[in-house]
Amino acid sequence: ETGVTQSPTHLIKTRGQQVTLRCSSQSGHNTVSWYQQALGQGPQFIFQYYREEENGRGNFPPRFSGLQFPNYSSELNVNALELDDSALYLCASSQRLANTGELFFGEGSRLTVL
Amino acid sequence: AQRVTQPEKLLSVFKGAPVELKCNYSYSGSPELFWYVQYSRQRLQLLLRHISRESIKGFTADLNKGETSFHLKKPFAQEEDSAMYYCALSGFGNYGQNFVFGPGTRLSVLP
Repeated sequence: ETGVTQSPTHLIKTRGQQVTLRCSSQSGHNTVSWYQQALGQGPQFIFQYYREEENGRGNFPPRFSGLQFPNYSSELNVNALELDDSALYLCASSQRLANTGELFFGEGSRLTVL
Repeated sequence: AQRVTQPEKLLSVFKGAPVELKCNYSYSGSPELFWYVQYSRQRLQLLLRHISRESIKGFTADLNKGETSFHLKKPFAQEEDSAMYYCALSGFGNYGQNFVFGPGTRLSVLP
C-alpha cells in the first residue's frame, strides 16, 4: 500500500510569485484535503476535493486554488504569494465512502516566501 | 464559529503518572471529534475518534457534549507517548465539509 506523497519537500519563492504543490493520494482513496501549518500552530484546513470537485473550503482567499485529477492526485496552487504564506503545507487523503473520518497525511511541503 | 482549543502548549509528566490532554470545541451541530498524534520524525496520524469509543495505546477520550469537551486520558504514561497531540473536529460549514484542528499540545513523558 502506497502512502501519501508530496512534492516538492522544500521550496523558496519570492513575494508575488506563484507556486504549485503536488500530492499523490494513498492507494484506494478518493478524497484529498489540504492544510496550512504555520510554525507552532495546528493544521489549518484550506479545502477538500472529491471526484475532482471542491466540496469543502476553509477561511482562505481565492488565490488559494486546487485541482484533483482522475487518478485522485491533487495540486494546490497559490498565486500572488505573501510573506505570511510561509508554512508547511500538508496533504491528506481519505476514503469518503468508508466514512471513518480518518485522514492519512503526507510529510508536507515546506514553503518559504522571501 | 467552529473552533477547537487546547489550553496547554506543553504538558510534562513522569513515566507512570496519569495524563490528561484537554480539548474543548465550539460547533453548532454534532461534530465528529478526533485526536491526531505526531511522533518525532513521523507524519501526523490518527490516534482515536469518538465514534469508535475505543482505546488505542491505552488512551481514551470521552465526548462530553454538555461541556463541549473531548479530553484525552491515559492512566499510566509511557516515555514513547511523548509527541505532539492535536484535537480535531470534522463538520460542515458555510462552504461544505471542513476540518478544524486545535493548536496542539506537546506531551513530554519524563523517565
